[in-house]
Amino acid sequence: AQSVTQLDSQVPVFEEAPVELRCNYSSSVSVYLFWYVQYPNQGLQLLLKYLSGSTLVESINGFEAEFNKSQTSFHLRKPSVHISDTAEYFCAVRTTGGTSYGKLTFGQGTILTVHP
Amino acid sequence: EAQVTQNPRYLITVTGKKLTVTCSQNMNHEYMSWYRQDPGLGLRQIYYSMNVEVTDKGDVPEGYKVSRKEKRNFPLILESPSPNQTSLYFCASSLSPGHQETQYFGPGTRLLVL
Repeated sequence: AQSVTQLDSQVPVFEEAPVELRCNYSSSVSVYLFWYVQYPNQGLQLLLKYLSGSTLVESINGFEAEFNKSQTSFHLRKPSVHISDTAEYFCAVRTTGGTSYGKLTFGQGTILTVHP
Repeated sequence: EAQVTQNPRYLITVTGKKLTVTCSQNMNHEYMSWYRQDPGLGLRQIYYSMNVEVTDKGDVPEGYKVSRKEKRNFPLILESPSPNQTSLYFCASSLSPGHQETQYFGPGTRLLVL
């Protein structure tokens, strides 16, 4: 079975500052990795995903995440955040095979609050 | 417009009164799933369905039932709700369980069991 740990439950940051949201995973088989964002009173939206290839993946709104296989991590970063980035962020893994084929497992979530 | 819809969006009920939360997708997706979201616990999978008439338990299935009689619909049934089922529920779908695509999430159903 796979598991996901988001190391920070809340991350406060000032506008235009850089931010890193940490995610570590555990799995006995290969995984796909995702970051989802949930804005207040809304459902989840996919922010970015790692399936294969380049270990650095980017979103259209300036976020990036790097897959580090040796550290089993998939940390999310943004060099300069905006007020509108205030949301809850979920890291998730999905196995590519094994007994949990296709099952998406989420981390506990990190609430990012951007202060002016 | 491709979407996953859930009804109702908000529900207050009392312990023991059976309820159903509906979920429907218009994308001809094979795979559908129900999650519950609780503070500090993230999203946990309740049940999932690989296709019509094929359902299986997720991580927290106790107290819930599902059915998949049609490809587009995947209702979540609480036969005898209890206060610990107060939560935010999400339905999601994807083309197939192993397909390298996004899972589409519904808008959520907020349930309060008194």
